[in-house]
Amino acid sequence: GQQLNQSPQSMFIQEGEDVSMNCTSSSIFNTWLWYKQDPGEGPVLLIALYKAGELTSNGRLTAQFGITRKDSFLNISASIPSDVGIYFCAGQRDSGAGSYQLTFGKGTKLSVIP
Amino acid sequence: NAGVMQNPRHLVRRRGQEARLRCSPMKGHSHVYWYRQLPEEGLKFMVYLQKENIIDESGMPKERFSAEFPKEGPSILRIQQVVRGDSAAYFCASSAGSGPGSSYEQYFGPGTRLTVT
Repeated sequence: GQQLNQSPQSMFIQEGEDVSMNCTSSSIFNTWLWYKQDPGEGPVLLIALYKAGELTSNGRLTAQFGITRKDSFLNISASIPSDVGIYFCAGQRDSGAGSYQLTFGKGTKLSVIP
Repeated sequence: NAGVMQNPRHLVRRRGQEARLRCSPMKGHSHVYWYRQLPEEGLKFMVYLQKENIIDESGMPKERFSAEFPKEGPSILRIQQVVRGDSAAYFCASSAGSGPGSSYEQYFGPGTRLTVT
């Protein structure tokens, strides 16, 4: 099935540092989304991107939808301890029959050292 | 302001038993997606349903798995004769419709963690 390549797989950073992670695909998506998952919980939507080239911010988070529609990145500025968790990228397109299922990357596990 | 609700949160079944997972979508949502997450992996799509209809089950295993979303009540994912490989976290997501755009974003429940012994 379709795979999204998400990197890095894990990161250890100092509190206050900026973080960058990205996602690439061999196929085009119409929408890119970034989710955060805490242990034992479901994914929570952070940012959604709907247009190629779009740059969107949500507080300390900034994400971009690549021009080719095959990639996206997420930046977190001035990290804090509560940023710890697993970040997933997801691509969305009509897979046929009106099903807009999400295709997920394998996640980036972020650890913040106080 | 209830979000997506799933129950049970944890479920333990012996091999060969049936597992029944429930999902109540957010208020006003009539579209439900089910995803499965193995340890250290991303979520993988299983099935997409609207009220009383299965729209896309391309990610569902051909045997032992079924899903429904009746006119009244929650959506149910049923796994018959469970095996150890079914152990995973199962998430449902709901949306107000199907399509691209902010009106159709998928919101996830807390998941059901199934353990098969």
